[in-house]
Amino acid sequence: DGGITQSPKYLFRKEGQNVTLSCEQNLNHDAMYWYRQDPGQGLRLIYYSQIVNDFQKGDIAEGYSVSREKKESFPLTVTSAQKNPTAFYLCASGRGASYEQYFGPGTRLTVT
Amino acid sequence: RKEVEQDPGPFNVPEGATVAFNCTYSNSASQSFFWYRQDCRKEPKLLMSVYSSGNEDGRFTAQLNRASQYISLLIRDSKLSDSATYLCVVNGWNNDMRFGAGTRLTVKP
Repeated sequence: DGGITQSPKYLFRKEGQNVTLSCEQNLNHDAMYWYRQDPGQGLRLIYYSQIVNDFQKGDIAEGYSVSREKKESFPLTVTSAQKNPTAFYLCASGRGASYEQYFGPGTRLTVT
Repeated sequence: RKEVEQDPGPFNVPEGATVAFNCTYSNSASQSFFWYRQDCRKEPKLLMSVYSSGNEDGRFTAQLNRASQYISLLIRDSKLSDSATYLCVVNGWNNDMRFGAGTRLTVKP
C-alpha cells in the first residue's frame, strides 16, 4: 500500500533531550513537509523540502532540524533548544509546491 | 491579518441540514485551494480541491471567488459522520501551503 508512515505514534522525553521523529513515504513524491499542531490551533509549518538534499525553513523552524538524504525519508529532530516541544507533529508529502499534500498519522510528543 | 482565516465555529446542525463554511485568504496570487477534513486527534485528510469554476463531489460543493478572495464549502444532507473540523488550505506568498485554523462541525441526530 502506498502511503506515509510516521513513528512512533506517541513519544515521551525528558526536557533537555533531543528526539528524532521518523517520516517515510512510498508515494514517489518530491516534496515533504513537517507541521506542528497545538490543541485547538491550525497547522504551522516547521520545515519543508522540495527535492532531495535541499530543505527550507518554515514559520517556526527554531529549535528543529531536518535532513533529506533520500527521497522517501524526511526525519525531524526536536532539539533541546525548542522551548515548547510538546505538540502533535504531522509529516506530509506532495508532488510539489502547489499540489495537494497527504499526511501521515502523526506523532504526539510529550516533553516533561 | 492572517493569510488564511476561517470562522472557528462550532457549527451545530441537525442531521439532514445544509451547512456552509467560508474561508478568506490574503494572497491575491494564490492558485491552489483545498478543503481538508480532520477528525479529533487524527491527521488531516484531503476532502477536495477547489477549482475556479466550482466543483462538486456528492454532497459536497466547493466554490472559489477570486474577486473577494474567499473559498466556500457547502455540505448538503449532513450526516453524523460529517462531524469533524474542516480546514481551508491556500498556497501562500512563498508558494507553500497555508492552513486555516479550521471550522468545527457537529452534526446531531
